[in-house]
Amino acid sequence: GENVEQHPSTLSVQEGDSAVIKCTYSDSASNYFPWYKQELGKRPQLIIDIRSNVGEKKDQRIAVTLNKTAKHFSLHITETQPEDSAVYFCAATQRGYYSSASKIIFGSGTRLSIRP
Amino acid sequence: KAGVTQTPRYLIKTRGQQVTLSCSPISGHRSVSWYQQTPGQGLQFLFEYFSETQRNKGNFPGRFSGRQFSNSRSEMNVSTLELGDSALYLCASSLDTQTDTQYFGPGTRLTVL
Repeated sequence: GENVEQHPSTLSVQEGDSAVIKCTYSDSASNYFPWYKQELGKRPQLIIDIRSNVGEKKDQRIAVTLNKTAKHFSLHITETQPEDSAVYFCAATQRGYYSSASKIIFGSGTRLSIRP
Repeated sequence: KAGVTQTPRYLIKTRGQQVTLSCSPISGHRSVSWYQQTPGQGLQFLFEYFSETQRNKGNFPGRFSGRQFSNSRSEMNVSTLELGDSALYLCASSLDTQTDTQYFGPGTRLTVL
């Protein structure tokens, strides 16, 4: 069945350094890849997403890259700050206007800790 | 705009009982999805409703069911509760256009004793 593998499960980086989280998906029909950040005790919030028609997307310190051939995508956080500490989830799904949407599959999450 | 709301926020039930959780999406959003979040299994997709129809379903037993009303509000029902059903149940709404950004509610924390 469809699967999304996420690595690493935990990540600790020095404040100011970069963090990279990687995900691999199995369903080649997937065309939408969101990333969610969940702080302790709070709801997941979308931080960035990418569609299969682009290879990279940036939003200030956050970027996501997508390699459709290899079926993997990555989250890059530069100049990390204490408030970046959270659990990050990747996901993959097939979405389209009025389409019969496929189920969204989440990665198992990465707990990111920023060391002061 | 008001965000996604879920009621109740906390619930304690015993094995064998049933429970109904409610989700009110952001105004104008037609799609509502439900997820189960547990420490061991992460975030797992339960089902998605769009225009009162279940559009997709995850790999959960038939004890888990849902529905959506004409105002897009959605309910999720779990019958014959088991200890393993203890989890945070999250709903998320989206417009269901090509934007497809999902906005999560605060969740309902269900504890089964």
